[in-house]
Amino acid sequence: GAGVSQSPRYKVAKRGQDVALRCDPISGHVSLFWYQQALGQGPEFLTYFQNEAQLDKSGLPSDRFFAERPEGSVSTLKIQRTQQEDSAVYLCASTSLMAGISNQPQHFGDGTRLSIL
Amino acid sequence: KNQVEQSPQSLIILEGKNCTLQCNYTVSPFSNLRWYKQDTGRGPVSLTIMTFSENTKSNGRYTATLDADTKQSSLHITASQLSDSASYICVVEKDYGGSQGNLIFGKGTKLSVKP
Repeated sequence: GAGVSQSPRYKVAKRGQDVALRCDPISGHVSLFWYQQALGQGPEFLTYFQNEAQLDKSGLPSDRFFAERPEGSVSTLKIQRTQQEDSAVYLCASTSLMAGISNQPQHFGDGTRLSIL
Repeated sequence: KNQVEQSPQSLIILEGKNCTLQCNYTVSPFSNLRWYKQDTGRGPVSLTIMTFSENTKSNGRYTATLDADTKQSSLHITASQLSDSASYICVVEKDYGGSQGNLIFGKGTKLSVKP
């Protein structure tokens, strides 16, 4: 497809389970971002990749959160031992250019809505 | 304190009317300011991006203004349509000179356009 694709769209898990969220960026996009969006809030930065390199993971809330992009295209956000406070929408975005080049719009996927019971 | 504050939190207007959404920021150093539209259950979509030297930018019925001196921006929507019902998010990019993760999002203004 032409846009950023995320799967699954909805995920329900029991507290303590591990989950994996997938992001397919726009083909050829170098930069990939993950955000967490709580209900009624704006997105908050989690982590950033430039190709396969994770250049910034300062937004990951704990060591239970792990992201990878091994081949520089598809990315997976993994959350281990999920907690109720992990319930949120997880958004993925990509841009065509590298970090440091401003004024490029980020193209967002429609997110994965994660609910932890 | 949030570095990007938006007002109002929510707004209801009648179809065909105009409206203006506000954004105040304290982010520094500043690189650019963006407005995004986020429909319910969808990802944000970019409307405008303005740098320090730009004080207005239009995208169809959407016009954004920026006053970098007072650190204020507005998004004006003309002749509103039902499809304008969404959250409008103001985003400020910090100038870190190369590091990403420097987009700071406001909480958004939820706009409802009624027939």
